[in-house]
Amino acid sequence: AQSVTQLGSHVSVSEGALVLLRCNYSSSVPPYLFWYVQYPNQGLQLLLKYTSAATLVKGINGFEAEFKKSETSFHLTKPSAHMSDAAEYFCAVSSTGGGNKLTFGTGTQLKVEL
Amino acid sequence: ETGVTQSPTHLIKTRGQQVTLRCSSQSGHNTVSWYQQALGQGPQFIFQYYREEENGRGNFPPRFSGLQFPNYSSELNVNALELDDSALYLCASSLLKTDTDTQYFGPGTRLTVL
Repeated sequence: AQSVTQLGSHVSVSEGALVLLRCNYSSSVPPYLFWYVQYPNQGLQLLLKYTSAATLVKGINGFEAEFKKSETSFHLTKPSAHMSDAAEYFCAVSSTGGGNKLTFGTGTQLKVEL
Repeated sequence: ETGVTQSPTHLIKTRGQQVTLRCSSQSGHNTVSWYQQALGQGPQFIFQYYREEENGRGNFPPRFSGLQFPNYSSELNVNALELDDSALYLCASSLLKTDTDTQYFGPGTRLTVL
């Protein structure tokens, strides 16, 4: 069985500040990890994914995430928040041999303030 | 290139009724997955279709059923609707069904059961 836990259902940052959204995973086999963003009334858009090629993964819109096996974490970061980053962010996992069926976390709502 | 489209956008039904939701895959994609996203939650995997065959199912009762057509479009059918079926239903397509293949999501169908 596999699962992800997102710590903090709501995160608020000032524009220009560091964004850090936390995700911890649990998996009995090597995981593949994904971050998706969801804007209001829209579907999910892939930000980045970890497929075991490199532990530091760079995605779209200036986001990146680092896979840390020792900490079972895959936290999402962005050096400088922009107002347009306000959205809900979901961490998800698929597992080796399980196909690309995703198990999602409960999401983190990011608010960016002036 | 056309992305994933879903219809209808919104739907209101009453308990006990049946509903059919539709999804058109991104061009060239032969795998379709369906997810249920309840309010304030992350998406939950319902089932996946690969080349018209079911390829995995989540923890949903048999009254949730699906089809994939030769053109790889798909339907989600829900019988005997219950209040708890109220949710955003997301369709996602992918080129393949391998572990790391990216899923591309549609905007969803918002189902309200009264």
